[in-house]
Amino acid sequence: DGGITQSPKYLFRKEGQNVTLSCEQNLNHDAMYWYRQDPGQGLRLIYYSQIVNDFQKGDIAEGYSVSREKKESFPLTVTSAQKNPTAFYLCASSINLLAGANQPQHFGDGTRLSIL
Amino acid sequence: AQTVTQSQPEMSVQEAETVTLSCTYDTSESDYYLFWYKQPPSRQMILVIRQEAYKQQNATENRFSVNFQKAAKSFSLKISDSQLGDAAMYFCAYRTNYGGSQGNLIFGKGTKLSVKP
Repeated sequence: DGGITQSPKYLFRKEGQNVTLSCEQNLNHDAMYWYRQDPGQGLRLIYYSQIVNDFQKGDIAEGYSVSREKKESFPLTVTSAQKNPTAFYLCASSINLLAGANQPQHFGDGTRLSIL
Repeated sequence: AQTVTQSQPEMSVQEAETVTLSCTYDTSESDYYLFWYKQPPSRQMILVIRQEAYKQQNATENRFSVNFQKAAKSFSLKISDSQLGDAAMYFCAYRTNYGGSQGNLIFGKGTKLSVKP
């Protein structure tokens, strides 16, 4: 079955540590996204990538970094500069927009990150 | 910048009854897309229904339908014959069709729906 796999499901970060969240998709989608979800908030966009080797900052990119070396992979690194990293992180992907901008984003199951 | 507002943080409905969740948005664009996503306790985001702004006909998907009022910038979700499995957070989302951020979703803060047996 095609889908988006996020790992790990739960992650703990120590003070001053960088951690990387994995996101892999086998849907052959061009675009990939990272969102952060806090209690009582909607999803907020961290980074997005519409094509391999290119990515753009979203609304809350500070303290995060990404790479897009392969079409199917879009890892997110939460750096020590992110002072409040505790949240639920969702990865999503969508088909090439030239094929139809009404195509929805498909989401992974998320990673919950907590500070030790 | 576009914004999405869901004015009902929580809603409750009796099983088998009908409930309507509200969503309003602000935009100066004429061509865009609107979505409703469901997030059950498992936290997975599931697409419920989508609407294209240039289509006047309201979208329907089985028990789910929308009331799209473009001039009023309103996009409400109606759930008919509510079932216990409908209990979840519901997010309204806007998607622009222009510019470098084409394809990006802007989400409301969500409405938590409870279904009473």
